[in-house]
Amino acid sequence: GAGVSQSPSNKVTEKGKDVELRCDPISGHTALYWYRQSLGQGLEFLIYFQGNSAPDKSGLPSDRFSAERTGGSVSTLTIQRTQQEDSAVYLCASSLQVTSSYNEQFFGPGTRLTVL
Amino acid sequence: GQQVMQIPQYQHVQEGEDFTTYCNSSTTLSNIQWYKQRPGGHPVFLIQLVKSGEVKKQKRLTFQFGEAKKNSSLHITATQTTDVGTYFCAGHNNDMRFGAGTRLTVKP
Repeated sequence: GAGVSQSPSNKVTEKGKDVELRCDPISGHTALYWYRQSLGQGLEFLIYFQGNSAPDKSGLPSDRFSAERTGGSVSTLTIQRTQQEDSAVYLCASSLQVTSSYNEQFFGPGTRLTVL
Repeated sequence: GQQVMQIPQYQHVQEGEDFTTYCNSSTTLSNIQWYKQRPGGHPVFLIQLVKSGEVKKQKRLTFQFGEAKKNSSLHITATQTTDVGTYFCAGHNNDMRFGAGTRLTVKP
């Protein structure tokens, strides 16, 4: 596909369970971003990757959140021991690279996470 | 770290009225981008501004980048119902930071 894809599109889980969200960036894009958006709210930055490395993890809300990216492509965001306040839409975006002068971000459709 | 503030948080206008959203960064930016998110959709890129004092237009939308490259604005002339959505600025300086967005509603 030509765009950023995310899976699953919807995830309902019980409080205390672990969840894994996946993002497939646009081929050739070295930069990958994760954001969280609660209903009607703005974009909360979580983490970004330049290649496989994550220079900035400051946005991760707690140590229950982790993310990895292998092979410079697919990324997974893992939330352990989910809490109800984790319910939100998790958006992934990719761009050619972070440090280029032109780095339009292309967003995926998001994963809507609901923690019961 | 870099922070990007955006105001207002909400704006409700009558169709045909103008609309402006403002973005301010705590640090000098290398560039700034604007995105639009329609209700139920994901953010979509509108434009990027790079030069100090730059002004760009897209039909009824006018984008400005401040002389100090720390602030920016998006102005929509004569709003239409199709302009409904949330407008985000995103400041770039080593990394990208999004503003909280301005949600625009338009009454027909």
